[in-house]
Amino acid sequence: DVKVTQSSRYLVKRTGEKVFLECVQDMDHENMFWYRQDPGLGLRLIYFSYDVKMKEKGDIPEGYSVSREKKERFSLILESASTNQTSMYLCASSAPSGSPHEQYFGPGTRLTVT
Amino acid sequence: GEDVEQSLFLSVREGDSSVINCTYTDSSSTYLYWYKQEPGAGLQLLTYIFSNMDMKQDQRLTVLLNKKDKHLSLRIADTQTGDSAIYFCAERADNFNKFYFGSGTKLNVKP
Repeated sequence: DVKVTQSSRYLVKRTGEKVFLECVQDMDHENMFWYRQDPGLGLRLIYFSYDVKMKEKGDIPEGYSVSREKKERFSLILESASTNQTSMYLCASSAPSGSPHEQYFGPGTRLTVT
Repeated sequence: GEDVEQSLFLSVREGDSSVINCTYTDSSSTYLYWYKQEPGAGLQLLTYIFSNMDMKQDQRLTVLLNKKDKHLSLRIADTQTGDSAIYFCAERADNFNKFYFGSGTKLNVKP
């Protein structure tokens, strides 16, 4: 079974803090993704990576950066956390080939910025 | 990004059928997916349909695809209280395997 794990289920941080969210997958997937989920807005893509050290901006990259130094690990960084970054953060991975290319999701990290 | 739209809420009685609808805009999508999210959890793939199919049935689940109208639906037969969750429709774009998700439909099943 594919497993995607996220470092924390719940996190509380203060405004201005630097925040690291870690994601690890064990299926040797090339593609990894970070989304945020907000009520009524669904999932919005922040960043994705299709290979080690490669990254592409998603739809809402402002205020975030990412790091992919190893294939299995994809980190999301909030350089200076703000209250409007309070959200559920979901990590996912997928293989670029093979059918049906679905994404596998981690359990999510609920981040509260006070 | 692409637009994937769903209604936000659906309420049904236990034992009834549920139909969750979705519209999408990218006519080149090769796969369309339905994901289920239970409270406090990540998303799990429920089922998917390849774009050259009109229908796919998997036990209590039936997926219908109307490519002309870019309309996807998920029918759950004999809905149970355990089916209460948020259901997301998603399409996969051709480039870089990006996925576009709808806003999610919260299904409430009343006993």
